[in-house]
Amino acid sequence: DSGVTQTPKHLITATGQRVTLRCSPRSGDLSVYWYQQSLDQGLQFLIQYYNGEERAKGNILERFSAQQFPDLHSELNLSSLELGDSALYFCASSPREGVYNEQFFGPGTRLTVL
Amino acid sequence: KNEVEQSPQNLTAQEGEFITINCSYSVGISALHWLQQHPGGGIVSLFMLSSGKKKHGRLIATINIQEKHSSLHITASHPRDSAVYICAVARWTDKLIFGTGTRLQVFP
Repeated sequence: DSGVTQTPKHLITATGQRVTLRCSPRSGDLSVYWYQQSLDQGLQFLIQYYNGEERAKGNILERFSAQQFPDLHSELNLSSLELGDSALYFCASSPREGVYNEQFFGPGTRLTVL
Repeated sequence: KNEVEQSPQNLTAQEGEFITINCSYSVGISALHWLQQHPGGGIVSLFMLSSGKKKHGRLIATINIQEKHSSLHITASHPRDSAVYICAVARWTDKLIFGTGTRLQVFP
């Protein structure tokens, strides 16, 4: 158990809908990262927050947005969902920002768009 | 061409064998991560390297920055080592670029 929690574990929804994925980092970790893992694209970095501020952005679609709240939990919002958004979404946390930090991964949220 | 390439894609071994998984990258990096993804989907960070070699139990990771290459070795492999092993590199930011993974199956 990494100490990172994600809810929900599974989510099934329809095209065009909007969902919110939630991540609680390990106690004391200030950095939160979001990743998408799909069958055709593999693992991809989406976005990173550090202490409430956006720090790095990857291949995140405009339909997706995220934020980190004052209590350091983070939410990833996915809207106008398409079939291709079906994937595993992971959140990870680390104590600090910077390339030399180990990241601790949550169990993931499996999103199925029908 | 992917910036991070892993080989082999699939690997089958008998229990007790020595295993090597390779990762090559084509860009300048600050750090390299090795991750393990279990059949259930969970991801565990194994190593973060910026130079040299690290060892944890039966796992050893090495990196050669000049040759842009890293290896993950598993000594005395065991069926519980069966998983997907993923290499990821960090350039100058926290953004990780992932390889496609190596699927390892260890049979008793």
